[in-house]
Amino acid sequence: GENVEQHPSTLSVQEGDSAVIKCTYSDSASNYFPWYKQELGKGPQLIIDIRSNVGEKKDQRIAVTLNKTAKHFSLHITETQPEDSAVYFCAAFLIQGAQKLVFGQGTRLTINP
Amino acid sequence: DGGITQSPKYLFRKEGQNVTLSCEQNLNHDAMYWYRQDPGQGLRLIYYSQIVNDFQKGDIAEGYSVSREKKESFPLTVTSAQKNPTAFYLCASTRDGQSPYGYTFGSGTRLTVV
Repeated sequence: GENVEQHPSTLSVQEGDSAVIKCTYSDSASNYFPWYKQELGKGPQLIIDIRSNVGEKKDQRIAVTLNKTAKHFSLHITETQPEDSAVYFCAAFLIQGAQKLVFGQGTRLTINP
Repeated sequence: DGGITQSPKYLFRKEGQNVTLSCEQNLNHDAMYWYRQDPGQGLRLIYYSQIVNDFQKGDIAEGYSVSREKKESFPLTVTSAQKNPTAFYLCASTRDGQSPYGYTFGSGTRLTVV
């Protein structure tokens, strides 16, 4: 089945700097890769996603890149702000078999003022 | 506004008791999911249902049970057979089980065994 590895598990950056979180997946048939942000005590919220026919997608300060050959994708947050502090999860959609989202382990991002 | 409502927000269970977590959605979604979240382990799938009156085991179904009698509701029962039930439980839904788009999460229930 699909396996998604996410790194780092914790990340601390200075306000205004950039943050990068990386994920790898194992099933080359996966075709959809969302990123979720989870604030304390709340459910995850979708912040950006990318489909397998696209290499990069940007939405204001956040961007996601996908390398299908290497089977990895990354979240980039620029000009970080204190409200970016949260846990971020990547996921890959397995289209064969159970057709389900498989999540990475999560990254706790802390923005230091 | 459409969304997913999980209740209660906090739940305490004595050892040996069964407890049921509620999940209701008014998004008219066909598919619903239950995840368990533990620190450092991400989200693990417990059960999912792609249509009313049908559900399948996920990766960690042992000690849990579900029902899907109505499209809007997907309750999760944590039985006494679940040896380590203390965790944060998340319910989610999508328009249909074949598509991951529009995956919506509830705000979660934190279960603690006392």
